[in-house]
Amino acid sequence: KAGVTQTPRYLIKTRGQQVTLSCSPISGHRSVSWYQQTPGQGLQFLFEYFSETQRNKGNFPGRFSGRQFSNSRSEMNVSTLELGDSALYLCASSFSGTGSSADTQYFGPGTRLTVL
Amino acid sequence: EDKVVQSPLSLVVHEGDTVTLNCSYEVTNFRSLLWYKQEKKAPTFLFMLTSSGIEKKSGRLSSILDKKELFSILNITATQTGDSAVYLCAVGGSEKLVFGKGTKLTVNP
Repeated sequence: KAGVTQTPRYLIKTRGQQVTLSCSPISGHRSVSWYQQTPGQGLQFLFEYFSETQRNKGNFPGRFSGRQFSNSRSEMNVSTLELGDSALYLCASSFSGTGSSADTQYFGPGTRLTVL
Repeated sequence: EDKVVQSPLSLVVHEGDTVTLNCSYEVTNFRSLLWYKQEKKAPTFLFMLTSSGIEKKSGRLSSILDKKELFSILNITATQTGDSAVYLCAVGGSEKLVFGKGTKLTVNP
């Protein structure tokens, strides 16, 4: 079974630009969660999508948004990029998600975003 | 606010040593506690714990959960250089997984 895939793997943008990251979950998984990982803050939850609906949201500004498609693939968008948005963005998929059961999340390789 | 605290933040040992990593938590509506190992890339799943007192084992790694005292430990025996990584603890609450900052383990030959 193929794992979670994320594209692109690396991205360099400048302040003020916007970016879209993509995540394809493990086949059969319906929940996709997004995380931001930085050296200082560790892994921080952004949001979770389940069956095309945002089910949970972390404490990030509205510049961070996402969506999920009918095939469970998910995209995350960050608008008006700031230097502090430089981070590793990880997505994780699970069968039913953390909102409904004790469910294991499997992580993708991440997208390394650098904002100059 | 939900929080997960891991200790120590970093640890340096020699091959063959046994290490114990700690994770304490305060999470609303606890559902599960997960341990992950992160090397240079994405975290990889190690264990999921939902019940107190039941040890989970995988080779040289083992973990146990205490839901009364709100903590878990991850033990690694006979450490090898390949065990060098950041070990993350995450707790599933009512809405999301909350991660600790991790313990960076370095195993020297």
